[in-house]
Amino acid sequence: EAQVTQNPRYLITVTGKKLTVTCSQNMNHEYMSWYRQDPGLGLRQIYYSMNVEVTDKGDVPEGYKVSRKEKRNFPLILESPSPNQTSLYFCASSLLRNRKTGKNEKLFFGSGTQLSVL
Amino acid sequence: AQKITQTQPGMFVQEKEAVTLDCTYDTSDPSYGLFWYKQPSSGEMIFLIYQGSYDQQNATEGRYSLNFQKARKSANLVISASQLGDSAMYFCAMREGYFGNEKLTFGTGTRLTIIP
Repeated sequence: EAQVTQNPRYLITVTGKKLTVTCSQNMNHEYMSWYRQDPGLGLRQIYYSMNVEVTDKGDVPEGYKVSRKEKRNFPLILESPSPNQTSLYFCASSLLRNRKTGKNEKLFFGSGTQLSVL
Repeated sequence: AQKITQTQPGMFVQEKEAVTLDCTYDTSDPSYGLFWYKQPSSGEMIFLIYQGSYDQQNATEGRYSLNFQKARKSANLVISASQLGDSAMYFCAMREGYFGNEKLTFGTGTRLTIIP
């Protein structure tokens, strides 16, 4: 089954304790991305990756790190979490846009990680 | 300036009525794509419909249709014959750019509640 697997589903931690949220996709997608969802703000992009070893900042990258050592995995790392990083996080993947047809490819989302930083 | 604007934070609609959720966008890229996603209370993101900037006809997927007005830069989602299961958060999104310069932006969402 084609899917994006994100773990853990729920996470409660304390300020300053490093954590990693894992994301893996089995669809051979080049594009992977992390979003955070906060009430009234919608989904905001944290980081994205167009391919292995290629990552770039989104709109809200401060306090986060990512890596893309393999095509299927795109972990999100919080080196020193703070309470303002309490949020619902989504990983997503897709194919790259097709330049010839202009056809976009939809994002496939993971089931989300609800993170609480105390 | 906001790339994607959803001006309705919340809507209440009677069951079986049609619903229009508004979305306006801002881009200078001639090639872009517009998406709608549904997020029920369980939290997952469900893809509903896609419209490409070069598509001649409005997209339709079952009870969902997209009212695409390119000159006005609007991409409203229309749900016909609403059902209780349509109660959810709805997000409009836009994808633009190519080859290392792609950008995908979401709106702030509209919470739709269907009343029996």
